[in-house]
Amino acid sequence: AQSVTQLDSQVPVFEEAPVELRCNYSSSVSVYLFWYVQYPNQGLQLLLKYLSGSTLVESINGFEAEFNKSQTSFHLRKPSVHISDTAEYFCAVSEADGNTPLVFGKGTRLSVIA
Amino acid sequence: ETGVTQSPTHLIKTRGQQVTLRCSSQSGHNTVSWYQQALGQGPQFIFQYYREEENGRGNFPPRFSGLQFPNYSSELNVNALELDDSALYLCASSGGLHNEQFFGPGTRLTVL
Repeated sequence: AQSVTQLDSQVPVFEEAPVELRCNYSSSVSVYLFWYVQYPNQGLQLLLKYLSGSTLVESINGFEAEFNKSQTSFHLRKPSVHISDTAEYFCAVSEADGNTPLVFGKGTRLSVIA
Repeated sequence: ETGVTQSPTHLIKTRGQQVTLRCSSQSGHNTVSWYQQALGQGPQFIFQYYREEENGRGNFPPRFSGLQFPNYSSELNVNALELDDSALYLCASSGGLHNEQFFGPGTRLTVL
């Protein structure tokens, strides 16, 4: 079975500052890794994913995450945040064998301060 | 291509009642997964349906049940509602090789 730990429940950061949201996972098998974003009163939107290949993955809105197998981590970073990035961010893992369920962390609330 | 839709958006029920939530999967997807997201928590896997058969279940009691129809839409039924069932219920559809799940907007259930 897999598990996900998001080390920070809340991260306040000033606008245009860099941010890192931490995610560690546990699994005995190969995994796929995901970051989802949830805006207030909405469902989850996929931000980025690691399936295989390059360990650095990027989203279209400036976020990136790096898969580190030795540290079992998949931290999310952005060099300069905007007010519109304020949301809840969830790290998730699934077995790398197809249609297995996602296991989510408890989430990190990113609050961008003007 | 339409995305994942869920109905209703909000629902208020009382303890002991039964509820049915509905989900239409994204076009071309044959797998639907249901998750429960309690306030302040990450989503928890309830069960998954693949081609009308249950294909995995999380740690939820039998009063949580589901169906998937030939068009791959799905229902989540919860009997004998309890206060702790109050949550956002998310449906996700998938059908690709790499388990990319697309989520609907959710149904917020309040049990009084």
